[in-house]
Amino acid sequence: GENVEQHPSTLSVQEGDSAVIKCTYSDSASNYFPWYKQELGKGPQLIIDIRSNVGEKKDQRIAVTLNKTAKHFSLHITETQPEDSAVYFCAAIPTEYGNKLVFGAGTILRVKS
Amino acid sequence: DTEVTQTPKHLVMGMTNKKSLKCEQHMGHRAMYWYKQKAKKPPELMFVYSYEKLSINESVPSRFSPECPNSSLLNLHLHALQPEDSALYLCASSRWASGRASYNEQFFGPGTRLTVL
Repeated sequence: GENVEQHPSTLSVQEGDSAVIKCTYSDSASNYFPWYKQELGKGPQLIIDIRSNVGEKKDQRIAVTLNKTAKHFSLHITETQPEDSAVYFCAAIPTEYGNKLVFGAGTILRVKS
Repeated sequence: DTEVTQTPKHLVMGMTNKKSLKCEQHMGHRAMYWYKQKAKKPPELMFVYSYEKLSINESVPSRFSPECPNSSLLNLHLHALQPEDSALYLCASSRWASGRASYNEQFFGPGTRLTVL
């Protein structure tokens, strides 16, 4: 089955710096890759996603890139702010027609002001 | 309305108690999910309902009993739980339970923090 690996497990950056979180997946049939942000005491919130026919997607300070050949995708956050501090999960859905999310282990992002 | 709501926010129960978790969405979504999340871990899928019918049960113990009374509501009935069942229980919904995954975003509720004594 699909396996998603996520690195790093923790990431500390200074406010204003960029943060990059990387994920790799094993199932070449996966074609949808969402990123979720989970703040303390809250449920995961979808912040950005990318589909297999797209190489990059941006939404203000957040961007996601996808390399299907290498089977990896990354989350980029620029100009980090203290409110970006949270746990970030990448995920994949292993078949074109399906709804079962396979999550990475998560990255704790700390933005120091 | 673009949110998934869950009640209660916190629940403490003994191993002999029976309790229920509730989830509601008014986005017209036809798929609803229960996840279990332990501390510092990603969510783990428990059940999927599609058009009010159970479509996926990830080998969950029978002390967890899901129910989908209508397209907007999802319940999780709890009975004879163990302390290791203490976790955050998350509900999610998506437009449908099949079809192209890339147009089927899952939206999560805030969760119920369950403690079993």
